[in-house]
Amino acid sequence: GEDVEQSLFLSVREGDSSVINCTYTDSSSTYLYWYKQEPGAGLQLLTYIFSNMDMKQDQRLTVLLNKKDKHLSLRIADTQTGDSAIYFCAESSYSSASKIIFGSGTRLSIRP
Amino acid sequence: DAMVIQNPRYQVTQFGKPVTLSCSQTLNHNVMYWYQQKSSQAPKLLFHYYDKDFNNEADTPDNFQSRRPNTSFCFLDIRSPGLGDAAMYLCATSLGGSGTEAFFGQGTRLTVV
Repeated sequence: GEDVEQSLFLSVREGDSSVINCTYTDSSSTYLYWYKQEPGAGLQLLTYIFSNMDMKQDQRLTVLLNKKDKHLSLRIADTQTGDSAIYFCAESSYSSASKIIFGSGTRLSIRP
Repeated sequence: DAMVIQNPRYQVTQFGKPVTLSCSQTLNHNVMYWYQQKSSQAPKLLFHYYDKDFNNEADTPDNFQSRRPNTSFCFLDIRSPGLGDAAMYLCATSLGGSGTEAFFGQGTRLTVV
């Protein structure tokens, strides 16, 4: 079945860039997503990328997709304290119909 | 304006006492999902509706049921909550098909006492 994996924790200094990585197994994945979850809140879609793209940039966010290695990353430039949250990678594919499968999330903490 | 609304935000129920969580949407989306999220874990899909078509995940316990009386509303029924069912329950909607954005509600945190 489909599987999405992420490292559990990342700590960066305020103002530095954060890079959160994700790997997935479903080669038919068509869309890959990054969601942000703040404590006690629901999931907020940050950005997504279609599988025929290899990069997408949106203000401080850059998504890189290596389809051959099934590797997705999210880079947050100039990381701020408000970026502290759990970041979930997710994927959907034609084979999984409308299902969105999530990774375990990466907890990003910011140090001064 | 909130587009996916879950009520209540916090729900306390007794062990074994049936409980219903509700979700409504103003987006007129075809698909509505229910996810269970336990602390520090990935949201786990329980089931989803594509219009009236119900799709249950293979590992969703029978204790969990769902109803979708119309496009706007979807309910999660837990017939006999156990302590292990304490979690955040997230409702989401999407247009459907692969690769459409899912919009999430704020979630209902269920406590079982």
